Parts: sequence; C-alpha cells; structure tokens
Amino acid sequence: QVQLQQWGAGLMKPSETLSLTCAVYGGSFSGYYWTWIRQPPGKGLEWIGEISHSGRTNYNAPLKSRFTISVDTSKNQFSLKLKSVTAADTAVYYCARRRSDCTGGGCYSDSWGQGTLVTVSS
Amino acid sequence: DIQMTQSPSSLSASIGDRVTITCRASQDISNYLAWFQQKPGKAPKSLIYAASSLQSEVPSKFSGSGSGTDFTLTINNLQPEDFATYYCQQYNSHPFTFGPGTKVDFK
Repeated sequence: QVQLQQWGAGLMKPSETLSLTCAVYGGSFSGYYWTWIRQPPGKGLEWIGEISHSGRTNYNAPLKSRFTISVDTSKNQFSLKLKSVTAADTAVYYCARRRSDCTGGGCYSDSWGQGTLVTVSS
Repeated sequence: DIQMTQSPSSLSASIGDRVTITCRASQDISNYLAWFQQKPGKAPKSLIYAASSLQSEVPSKFSGSGSGTDFTLTINNLQPEDFATYYCQQYNSHPFTFGPGTKVDFK
C-alpha cells in the first residue's frame, strides 16, 4: 500500500520561495508520474504539473515560469519549488501519484498525500 | 486547455437517495475521466477512473458512465459518509483540468 507523505514551510512572506517535498513509501517509484496539485481555501483543485522518475516534466503552462518540479530517485522523493510567492499562492498543496501506463485508462491520480497548507502573508 | 464543467454546483439530498452529478468536457476526452470525493480538511479520494471503472475498495454504490464529452457519477443509497464535494478530472491532455466541484449536503 503506497503512502505519500509531504512536508514544507507553512507560513511564508511575499517574494519568498516555497519549497515542498513528497516522499513515497511502500511502492515503486518508477512507472509513475509524480504530481503536484493545489487548492486555494474554499475553492477548487488546480493541477500544477508532474514529473516522471526519469525527470520528464509536464507543467500547467500559465504556472510554468514560477514552478519547478524535481525528483530524487535515491530517496524516492519529489519536490516543488515556487518562486516569488504572493497572497494568491495561499493554498493547500497536494502531491499525488499517476501511473505512466494508460492501458485501460488507468493513468489517473490514484494516491494522494495529506496536503500542506501554505499561507502567504506579510 | 480543456475546460471541465459540472452540474449542479450543489445539491441537497436525503439518506437513501440516489444522486447524479454531471461533468462535461469542452472537447472529446475519450474515457480519460476520473471522479474524486473530498471531505472537509481531507485530500481528495479517487472513486472512478476511465469514466466507469471503480477504484479498488470503493463501494459499488458509486458508478460512472459516459465517454467523449459527457459523463455522470451516480451515488446510490446515499449515506452520511457520502456527504462531500465531488470533482471530475480529465487526464486526456495536459494540463489535467478539474471540474469546479459539486457539493452534496444533507437536505
């Protein structure tokens, strides 16, 4: 049973760089895309981007210039960095797993981390 | 980008009811559609993938249907633990967009 455990700073000031990490326990790291999704308070879900175990990335284009997703296969971890945060980046950030193989339509986000609330305030 | 819409945005139902939520994509996404349930303060939980396949350990009271642009999630015999917000997500093409959500609350 795979578990995704995430951590990172919860309170930030405008213009700082956000850094979050998600560790994968109990499952294979290869054969999946590792995803970041965020949810502003009281609002819906926004897909940020993903990275494969080999480092191939896909980003939500409007966010691409500020977000960086990286992977550390030696630790079965992947990370999200967001530079120059503003109040609009206040949200719960989730990591998730998505199978790379789309046979039978199975390449969806089947496992999620617990979420990290990031608040940006001066 | 593919835009996802859901209707209704909220609904009130009673224990034992059957509820249906609709999700529409702005272009053909084949069957690359997933449904998630989210309770307050919790991460989304996957229910349905490939439009109609049940995630393991999800009760059969949940079912999904559709292909192309129109999809539905049906919940039979609504129970207290089913009151939540439900989201659809397309994973046919990047970025993998979500619908705005449907909140199911107690009548």
